[in-house]
Amino acid sequence: DIQMTQSPSTLSASVGDRVTITCRASQSISSWLAWYQQKPGKAPKFLIYKASSLESGVPSRFSGSGSGTEFTLTISSLQPDDFATYYCQQYNSYPWAFGQGTKVEIK
Amino acid sequence: QVTLKESGPVLVEPTETLTLTCTVSGFSLSNTRMGVSWIRQPPGKALEWLAHIFSNDEKSCSTSLRSRLTISKDTSKSQVVLTMTNMDPVDTATYYCARKLKGEGGFDYWGQGTLVTVSS
Repeated sequence: DIQMTQSPSTLSASVGDRVTITCRASQSISSWLAWYQQKPGKAPKFLIYKASSLESGVPSRFSGSGSGTEFTLTISSLQPDDFATYYCQQYNSYPWAFGQGTKVEIK
Repeated sequence: QVTLKESGPVLVEPTETLTLTCTVSGFSLSNTRMGVSWIRQPPGKALEWLAHIFSNDEKSCSTSLRSRLTISKDTSKSQVVLTMTNMDPVDTATYYCARKLKGEGGFDYWGQGTLVTVSS
């Protein structure tokens, strides 16, 4: 099974900061990676697919990059609405898997 | 508009079998490329993918839970059903169903989730 590892687990940042979250796969997943945002008590929200394609309606301050085993999610200028937990997910092969999450909190 | 809604018991006893139903609207489970997954999240913990079924009845499930999980669909009722046998308190979680098309995208639509507590 492919394991997904995110870093850091928690990130403290201020409004306006550039934020980068890393996701590593235990073996190559090509570009079959998605990113989600989750707020407390809510279902995850779909942000990015195929590593770097922005889902419709997602603000352009979100971007994704990477391929193979290393991927990043970048928020170019952190907004108050962006404080949340972020998950990566591979769908290259079964069983699909999520990372353990990165919580972005207010500094 | 696309919606998914989970339903099932809020409380199950240890060793019982859990049956959850995901009722979808705004799309058909018979449409090519359509698929629905079940995903769970224990309180304060990460998301865990459980199982998926596509419109052509292609299925897959978690390696660690394979012996306990069954996923099926009733296209006429627009429902996807997950059964999990031999429930344990560690299975206490919010259970979500989510749509994923075959191909490039991720889980684009999610249900609100249903909290299932396993306790005697």
